[in-house]
Amino acid sequence: GEQVEQRPPHLSVREGDSAVITCTYTDPNSYYFFWYKQEPGASLQLLMKVFSSTEINEGQGFTVLLNKKDKRLSLNLTAAHPGDSAAYFCAVRYNAGAKLTFGGGTRLTVRP
Amino acid sequence: EAAVTQSPRNKVTVTGGNVTLSCRQTNSHNYMYWYRQDTGHGLRLIHYSYGAGNLQIGDVPDGYKATRTTQEDFFLLLELASPSQTSLYFCASSDRTGISNERLFFGHGTKLSVL
Repeated sequence: GEQVEQRPPHLSVREGDSAVITCTYTDPNSYYFFWYKQEPGASLQLLMKVFSSTEINEGQGFTVLLNKKDKRLSLNLTAAHPGDSAAYFCAVRYNAGAKLTFGGGTRLTVRP
Repeated sequence: EAAVTQSPRNKVTVTGGNVTLSCRQTNSHNYMYWYRQDTGHGLRLIHYSYGAGNLQIGDVPDGYKATRTTQEDFFLLLELASPSQTSLYFCASSDRTGISNERLFFGHGTKLSVL
């Protein structure tokens, strides 16, 4: 089945710096990609979803890049602030009927 | 915003104990899921369902049963709890009628400790 490896497991940056989290997946037919954010003590919330037809998606303060050739998905926080401190999870699946496979998560700490 | 409510929020039991975790969603989503979250493993799917009476096996089903009694209610059962099942459990629901509206709505989690 699909396997998703997420790196790094822990990331600490200073306020204003960029932070990059990367997921690599194994199934070349993967088509749907998601990023979820989990703030301390809270549940997971959808940050962004990316479909295979689009390779770059931008949100408020972050960019998601999809490299289908290398089977790599990345989340780039362009100017991190303390409110971005949270755990981030990527999730992947390859068609409308399949299960989501989550990465192991990245715990991001943004220092003032 | 879709609401997913889990109960209890915390549960402590002993090895061999019988535990039921409950989940209710109020947005008539067709899919419901049970995940466990462990450090280094992210979220792993235990069981899921696409409607009342339906049950699908996830990636880590051993030691767990589940039952979807209604569109709203999904239960996870541990009939002989073991310490390896100590974990944070999340229930989630989703509307899979179209990719444009697909997302998981998570409950706040149940922290289970098996002594």
